[in-house]
Amino acid sequence: GNSVTQMEGPVTLSEEAFLTINCTYTATGYPSLFWYVQYPGEGLQLLLKATKADDKGSNKGFEATYRKETTSFHLEKGSVQVSDSAVYFCALSDLGNTGKLIFGQGTTLQVKP
Amino acid sequence: EAGVAQSPRYKIIEKRQSVAFWCNPISGHATLYWYQQILGQGPKLLIQFQNNGVVDDSQLPKDRFSAERLKGVDSTLKIQPAKLEDSAVYLCASSPMASGGAGEQFFGPGTRLTVL
Repeated sequence: GNSVTQMEGPVTLSEEAFLTINCTYTATGYPSLFWYVQYPGEGLQLLLKATKADDKGSNKGFEATYRKETTSFHLEKGSVQVSDSAVYFCALSDLGNTGKLIFGQGTTLQVKP
Repeated sequence: EAGVAQSPRYKIIEKRQSVAFWCNPISGHATLYWYQQILGQGPKLLIQFQNNGVVDDSQLPKDRFSAERLKGVDSTLKIQPAKLEDSAVYLCASSPMASGGAGEQFFGPGTRLTVL
């Protein structure tokens, strides 16, 4: 079945460091891919998405490129801030079936000043 | 635009008791989802509605969990009787897209359930 695997956390970085959070997926067909973020005490919110191969999603300085050949959707940011501290979830949409989201286990990011 | 509303935010019960959660989706959103998020894991779909019909309930433990979406708007999720392993955050999400679409899902703040 469809699944998403994320790198284990927590990830601890200093402010202004470069961030990569790895995400790979297994799916039949061509799902849409998402990154959701959960800030402390808040609900999940969409960070960015990509709907087809080679698409790049971007938002708030974060980027991720849909790589069909490596079945990956790694999240990157060039310079993290303390306010980026949160849990990040990679997900795929079960396109054409029910559209439900299948999530990875989440990666906690802690940015220190 | 008002977001997805859920209540209560927190609930503590003893095992074998029953509990109900309520969700009010964003106005006009056709599709409503209930997810279970166990600590340290990603959310897992329990049930999906389109309007007031069930699209997917394959992961819902139907011996103890039930859900309804009357009139295609609000939804309630019930657990009866609760078990220790039901301790989790229950997330409600809605989407304007019909089921099978690739649109964004909008999540509520969740209900944190602790079963003692």
